[in-house]
Formats: sequence, structure tokens, C-alpha cells
Amino acid sequence: AQSVAQPEDQVNVAEGNPLTVKCTYSVSGNPYLFWYVQYPNRGLQFLLKYITGDNLVKGSYGFEAEFNKSQTSFHLKKPSALVSDSALYFCAVRDISGGYNKLIFGAGTRLAVHP
Amino acid sequence: GAVVSQHPSWVICKSGTSVKIECRSLDFQATTMFWYRQFPKQSLMLMATSNEGSKATYEQGVEKDKFLINHASLTLSTLTVTSAHPEDSSFYICSARTSGPNTGELFFGEGSRLTVL
Repeated sequence: AQSVAQPEDQVNVAEGNPLTVKCTYSVSGNPYLFWYVQYPNRGLQFLLKYITGDNLVKGSYGFEAEFNKSQTSFHLKKPSALVSDSALYFCAVRDISGGYNKLIFGAGTRLAVHP
Repeated sequence: GAVVSQHPSWVICKSGTSVKIECRSLDFQATTMFWYRQFPKQSLMLMATSNEGSKATYEQGVEKDKFLINHASLTLSTLTVTSAHPEDSSFYICSARTSGPNTGELFFGEGSRLTVL
């Protein structure tokens, strides 16, 4: 089965510093990977996805993610963190088992950006 | 991006009653919608895949008779929590994918928080 793992429950970073939120994947076949962000009591917002092509994917709000096949990773990054980036971040992988194109989410990582 | 609307955002009900949550795709047609459940400080767990005009496909461990899903049209799916109990209290989120390549991202509703007293 397809799965993703987010090894960190929480990431703390100072405003203006670069941030990284980690994600590793386990898939059969080509991985289709996604990052979403969730603010309190809200649904998820799409940030970016990797399907094929360049390993560095650029997304919304200045975020980017690097697909690394040898390390089976898809870490989310941002060069300079903002306090407003504080939220819950989910890595996800596409799963087409059962005939449906669905997303399986990681456990989530809470990002806290301090002023 | 595409808009998915959920209603109600918050609902409080008594134990034993049933609650219906609606999920609408406002500016696109969605033949497939997904229902997720999220416990506090936890990830989203896929409950079922809702298919327009046919029965929903439930994930292992999800009670079909408890969580009734109806995909009445290309823009509306409903989740009914029947005979709700306090342990059903959770944040329920629906999502839908626009038509086109299956590589597209999912668009999510704002979620519905259910509290069963």
C-alpha cells in the first residue's frame, strides 16, 4: 500500500529563517506526491504536487518541495519563514488501489514560526 | 482554485440522533468525492469514496450503516451520521477532484465539526 511518513510532530523555526518539513514515501510504481496546509478548524489548502519532471517543485505562498528518489523523500521547504506560515502541514500520496484515485495523508507536522 | 462548500460548519447534537453533513462543489462537477475524518491533533483518515449515482466505497473498518453516504448529483454528496454517539464527535472533511487528469489535486471543504453530547 502507498504511504507517507512525517517523522516530526512539530517544527519550530524563527521568522526569517529557512524551514524544512520532512516527508518520506513508500510507493509501488511512480509516486504522485502532494503537500497541503491546514489552519485551525479549516479544511486543507493545496500547496504543491510532484507528478513527474523537475525534482524541485514550486508551489503556493513561496513554498517548494524537493523530490529525491534515492532517499524516497519529498521535503517541504521555504527560504524565509513567516509567522503566518504557522499551521499544520500534511504530506500525501496518491493511491489508486480499489480503482479510485484517492489521497493518503501523513500524520501531519505542526509548524510554529516564532517572531 | 475550485471551491468545495460544506454545511454545517458546526453541529451539536444529542446522543442517538442523526446528523447530515452536505458537501457541494460550487463551480465544477465532481463524479467522485471523498469523506475524511480527523481527530484532534491527528491526520485525516479516509472514510469513504462517494460516487455519483452509485454506492459509496467504504474503507476498512468504517461502518456503512452508521455513516451513510449519498452522492445525489454531480455537485452534492451527503454524509449522515446515524444514531450518533459521543465517540463520533470529530471533524469531518469532504474533498473533490475536478475533472481531467487524475493527477490533479483535491479541493477540500472547510470541514464540519460534530459534537455529540
